[in-house]
Amino acid sequence: QKEVEQNSGPLSVPEGAIASLNCTYSDRVSQSFFWYRQYSGKSPELIMSIYSNGDKEDGRFTAQLNKASQYVSLLIRDSQPSDSATYLCAVNMGAQKLVFGQGTRLTINP
Amino acid sequence: SAVISQKPSRDICQRGTSLTIQCQVDSQVTMMFWYRQQPGQSLTLIATANQGSEATYESGFVIDKFPISRPNLTFSTLTVSNMSPEDSSIYLCSLGGEYADTQYFGPGTRLTVL
Repeated sequence: QKEVEQNSGPLSVPEGAIASLNCTYSDRVSQSFFWYRQYSGKSPELIMSIYSNGDKEDGRFTAQLNKASQYVSLLIRDSQPSDSATYLCAVNMGAQKLVFGQGTRLTINP
Repeated sequence: SAVISQKPSRDICQRGTSLTIQCQVDSQVTMMFWYRQQPGQSLTLIATANQGSEATYESGFVIDKFPISRPNLTFSTLTVSNMSPEDSSIYLCSLGGEYADTQYFGPGTRLTVL
């Protein structure tokens, strides 16, 4: 079983709609969770971190964490074509070791 | 936040040669890391670059293949030794942010081995 799993997509969402990206992880003791955005040919950019159960909102982005279910998600409201990218879920597995999921490729259609 | 630069940004190398990639940060940071991103794949941690001591390598990565230096708190190098086409990847350095486990990535080095 992979340590961090994401649906690789592609996920296609119309402009203005909500994009929902999901991630599950295997290590129950993980405490820190991150979402990175990676445009084609660019390096990953940190967009959200979440440490506690519940929701964390930052502008159009909301991260949701459920440690009991070992599940973390990212919602993007009012999706824009500039949101088209690969979104990487990362989990801290201890000792500052980040394990990344395969990434979900998101396309926002105008 | 700190500014991270990497050199070279890209390179095309011949099989059997070695390439050293530099990572420079504009402020002192405790934690620096090296990752590999193979074509179409996600990121895999190669090692943690420790200042003043040997790097800590992840399973599947060895010092002979990926020697790392960290002479001070603003600079690190990763060498890809005796390269083969399977080493064609993007190599990224990252550093710890305001929290110990938040990481920010440099622009990456795109390596092609022929």
